[in-house]
Amino acid sequence: EAQLVESGGGLVKPGGSLRLSCVASGLSFSNYGMSWVREAPGKGLEWVSGISDSGGSTYYAASVKGRFTIFRDNSKNTLYLQMNSLRAEDTAVYYCVKDEEGVVVKGETVYYYYYMDVWGKGTTVTVSS
Amino acid sequence: DIRMTQSPSSLSASLGDRVTITCRASQNINNYLNWYQRKPGKAPKLLIYAASILQSGVPSRFSGSGSGTDFTLTISSLQPEDFATYFCQQSYTTLITFGQGTRLEIK
Repeated sequence: EAQLVESGGGLVKPGGSLRLSCVASGLSFSNYGMSWVREAPGKGLEWVSGISDSGGSTYYAASVKGRFTIFRDNSKNTLYLQMNSLRAEDTAVYYCVKDEEGVVVKGETVYYYYYMDVWGKGTTVTVSS
Repeated sequence: DIRMTQSPSSLSASLGDRVTITCRASQNINNYLNWYQRKPGKAPKLLIYAASILQSGVPSRFSGSGSGTDFTLTISSLQPEDFATYFCQQSYTTLITFGQGTRLEIK
């Protein structure tokens, strides 16, 4: 069974840094894109960042671009999120998520759909002085 | 960014009720729309992808429909375990966005 386990959360002061890790097991980690999604207290889900299977392509939400860096080590089955210049509004539970690709064939056309099918239990980041 | 708007924000219903949640995209996303269920203290769970394809293991009382900008998630007969928060999410662009969520409560 695929499993994702996050770690690295904690209490940090505004302007500080934190690195989150996510260890994957039960799946061929290097075959999948991965994402980080967060949920702030009383708010909904917010996609933070994504990375391709090789690590060659990365994507960021506008709210974290320039402050956060996503990267991965496929030899260690581990995904990371380096968070710098943290703000109070970054306080949230951060989930590590596996991106899956679904294929649908309609006639002669192949469609690719992307969705998040495996989620970790999350790690809590609190930014406060 | 593509903005996803769900309605209603909260909903009270009874066991056995048929419930429909709506999600609207700020631009055409074809059918690149996913639905998730979120229970307190648990990670979100994928219910439906590509607007209408049921994820393996998800009960058939859940269904999704729509294309373009308007989508719906329907639960045909509410069960006790269905009371949760539901989120839609577009995967049309690499800058993924979620709806704000619909909280489904017991009446």
